[in-house]
Amino acid sequence: DVKVTQSSRYLVKRTGEKVFLECVQDMDHENMFWYRQDPGLGLRLIYFSYDVKMKEKGDIPEGYSVSREKKERFSLILESASTNQTSMYLCASSRQYNQPQHFGDGTRLSIL
Amino acid sequence: QQPVQSPQAVILREGEDAVINCSSSKALYSVHWYRQKHGEAPVFLMILLKGGEQKGHEKISASFNEKKQQSSLYLTASQLSYSGTYFCGTPTSGTYKYIFGTGTRLKVLA
Repeated sequence: DVKVTQSSRYLVKRTGEKVFLECVQDMDHENMFWYRQDPGLGLRLIYFSYDVKMKEKGDIPEGYSVSREKKERFSLILESASTNQTSMYLCASSRQYNQPQHFGDGTRLSIL
Repeated sequence: QQPVQSPQAVILREGEDAVINCSSSKALYSVHWYRQKHGEAPVFLMILLKGGEQKGHEKISASFNEKKQQSSLYLTASQLSYSGTYFCGTPTSGTYKYIFGTGTRLKVLA
């Protein structure tokens, strides 16, 4: 079974802080994705990566950046956290871009 | 443009059937269905690869009509465990991007 592990289930940070969310997958998947999920808004794509060191913007990249230095790890960075970034963040991976995604358990991030 | 799902929400009694639709304004080459239970991450249910294809998983099946650019998920004799939000997902042609539908909240009551 594919295992996608997110570093924290719950995280509380202050506005202006730089926040790192980590995601690791153990199945040698090519593609990794970061989503945020807010009530009534479904799954919104922030960034994705189809190869090491490659990244592409999703639908809501503003205020975020990503890093993929190793195939198994995809990090989401909030450069200067703001209260409107309080949300559930989900990481996912897939073997190829056209194959189903496997999700981590999510990180519920609160920015105070 | 994300696929649009209908209905947005549905409430069923145990044993009743439901259909969830996923319609796209762009061509669909494959469709994936997921279920997300409350407080959990989405879980992949099934993949549909060809037009007209139907697949099944327990009492849940799905169809895919390439021509109409839509897929439907059929839940038969629903159980309490079927409650959750259902999403369709699809890769976008020509890019590595993947998009999810708007989601359908389903609640099954005893």
